Amino acid sequence: DGGITQSPKYLFRKEGQNVTLSCEQNLNHDAMYWYRQDPGQGLRLIYYSQIVNDFQKGDIAEGYSVSREKKESFPLTVTSAQKNPTAFYLCASSIEVGSGGLRDTQYFGPGTRLTVL
Amino acid sequence: GNSVTQMEGPVTLSEEAFLTINCTYTATGYPSLFWYVQYPGEGLQLLLKATKADDKGSNKGFEATYRKETTSFHLEKGSVQVSDSAVYFCALSLYGGATNKLIFGTGTLLAVQP
Repeated sequence: DGGITQSPKYLFRKEGQNVTLSCEQNLNHDAMYWYRQDPGQGLRLIYYSQIVNDFQKGDIAEGYSVSREKKESFPLTVTSAQKNPTAFYLCASSIEVGSGGLRDTQYFGPGTRLTVL
Repeated sequence: GNSVTQMEGPVTLSEEAFLTINCTYTATGYPSLFWYVQYPGEGLQLLLKATKADDKGSNKGFEATYRKETTSFHLEKGSVQVSDSAVYFCALSLYGGATNKLIFGTGTLLAVQP
C-alpha cells in the first residue's frame, strides 16, 4: 500500500533536548511538507521541500530544522530553541509543486504528537 | 493577505440531518480550494477539492461548489451519519509561486448524535 508514515505516534521530550520526527513516503512524490497543529487552530507550515537536497522555510521555521537526503524521507528536528514545541506535527507530500491542479494536491500522514515535559 | 474563514463549531446534528459548514476565503490570485477531514487522533484526509470557479467537488456524499463571486466553498451533505463526526478543515492553495502551501481555516468540529 502506498502512503505516508510518521513515527512515533507519541513522543515525549524533556526541555532542552532536541528530538527528530520521522516522515517516510512511498508515493514517489517529489514534494514534502511539515505542518504544526495546535488545539483549536488550523495547520501552519514549518518547512517544505520541492526536491531532494532542497528545502525552504515556511511560516514558522524558527526552532526547527529539516533534511532531504532521500526522495522518500523528510525528517524534522525540533530543537531546544523552539520555545513552545508541544503540538501535533503532520507531514504531507504531493507529486510536485507549482503546476496547479491534481499534481499539487497534498496528502497527509497520521501525525506525531509531541509533548515536552 | 490570503486567508480562510470557517464557521465556528461545534456543530451538533442528529443522524440524517442536513449539514452545511460555511467557508469563505480571501486570496490575491486564483486559488484551488479543499476540504480536509480529521478523525480523532488521526492525520488529515483529503475529502474533496475544486480547482476553478464553478467547479463542484464531491466525495462520500459531501459536496462543495467553488463560488468566485461570493468567495465561498461551503461544505454540504444531505444526510449525516454518526461516522461523519470529525473536524473539517477548509483550505486554499495558490499556485504559480515557489510553494503551493495550504492555508487552513481553524477547523469546524462536527458531532453527529444517533
